[in-house]
Amino acid sequence: DIQMTQSPSTLSASVGDRVTITCRASQSFSSRLAWYQHKPGKAPKLLIYDASTLESGVPSRFSGSGSGTESTLTISSLQPDDFATYYCQQYKSYSLTFGGGTKVEIK
Amino acid sequence: VQLVETGGGLVQPGGSLRLSCEVSGLTVSSSYMSWVRQAPGKGLEWVSVIYTGGSTYYADSVKGRFTISRDNSKNMLYLQMNSLRAEDTAVYYCATIPLPGIAAVGFYVWGQGTMVTVSS
Repeated sequence: DIQMTQSPSTLSASVGDRVTITCRASQSFSSRLAWYQHKPGKAPKLLIYDASTLESGVPSRFSGSGSGTESTLTISSLQPDDFATYYCQQYKSYSLTFGGGTKVEIK
Repeated sequence: VQLVETGGGLVQPGGSLRLSCEVSGLTVSSSYMSWVRQAPGKGLEWVSVIYTGGSTYYADSVKGRFTISRDNSKNMLYLQMNSLRAEDTAVYYCATIPLPGIAAVGFYVWGQGTMVTVSS
């Protein structure tokens, strides 16, 4: 199985900050990688797929990059609604695997 | 598009439970449907998927104990869970998510989840 490691596990930031979250894989996922936002008690929301394609309806302040064994999620200007936990997920091969999550907290 | 999970609850170790996912706004028979879970205080864990052609895949942690299925006439997705263990305690989500071998086209959706607690 492809193991996914996210960093940092927790991130403290202020509204307006540029935020970067990294996902590293134990083997190549090619560009078969998705990013999700998850808030407590809510359904996870897919933000990015194929490493860099923005899901319909997702604000353009979210962007994804990378391929191979590393991908990055960037929030260009953090908004109050963005405080949540973010997960990466590879879909290159089974078993599908998620990163451990990055909690973005208010500084 | 809306996915609504039901069937969660408290069950004893070794017991069984069947989760249901009512699907509206898309056709379950022509969609790739998955179950994903989140244990308390933990991250997301993929559980199972059923392809349009009926092929199924499972996480090693549930293989042989869980069965995914669908009822095309009712547009419903199911997860039959047998031989339940304490470590199966989690919120279970039905979802459409990107998959290996399938072109990612967007418009993925998740339900709100149903809680399963395995405890004596």
